[in-house]
Amino acid sequence: QSALTQPASVSGSPGQSITISCTGTSSDIGAYDYVSWYQQYPGRAPKLIIYDVTQRPSGISNRFSGSKSGNTASLTISGLQAEDEANYYCSSYTSSSTWVFGGGTSLTVL
Amino acid sequence: QVTLRESGPALVKPTQTLTLTCTFSGFSLSTSGMCVSWIRQPPGMALEWLAVIDYNDDKYYSTSLKTRLTISKDTSRNQVVLTMTNMGPLDTATYYCARLHYYETSGFDVWGQGTVVAVSS
Repeated sequence: QSALTQPASVSGSPGQSITISCTGTSSDIGAYDYVSWYQQYPGRAPKLIIYDVTQRPSGISNRFSGSKSGNTASLTISGLQAEDEANYYCSSYTSSSTWVFGGGTSLTVL
Repeated sequence: QVTLRESGPALVKPTQTLTLTCTFSGFSLSTSGMCVSWIRQPPGMALEWLAVIDYNDDKYYSTSLKTRLTISKDTSRNQVVLTMTNMGPLDTATYYCARLHYYETSGFDVWGQGTVVAVSS
């Protein structure tokens, strides 16, 4: 399975909104509503922030939202804050009963 | 409280077999829908999914690493073990185990802290 495609980096100013895309295929993102997103700070384990395309786990800010269209999923962070500066990974369940991650996106808050 | 903790050697030699153990608490791998997965991350690089085992002892592996991986569970000891054969320098990474309950979420909702494995002679 090939990794999902994410932009290597995105940036935004405090208060702004940014969107990170995640492109897969009809065998993963396009086949199921099983897309999840993770936030990872350097040296730390990833943290689940979105699952099932649009759902937020308990305790995750509603500034984080997810969506999907066709083979592409997106993560939007609104009201950008300094603490949002981190690496973000998307993931999808696949038709082979496996999971696949994206290449990761580094978010810089200017 | 759900926790997972990875353990294993910090250093292995090329061609050796790596054995990692994930010891968890706060949930049972005999619960319907429960899974534990292994995921790794080379230094400065992206996450890579490796394998999963579920409550029914069904096992699935990364297509590219399938021939080198074996995942197993000991439900009574709350442990999941991953073995990876023929280790090489490109296998140097932080290895994580993570929980997924696929009747509740498609995401890995709790992760261990990770264990760093270096491959070097």
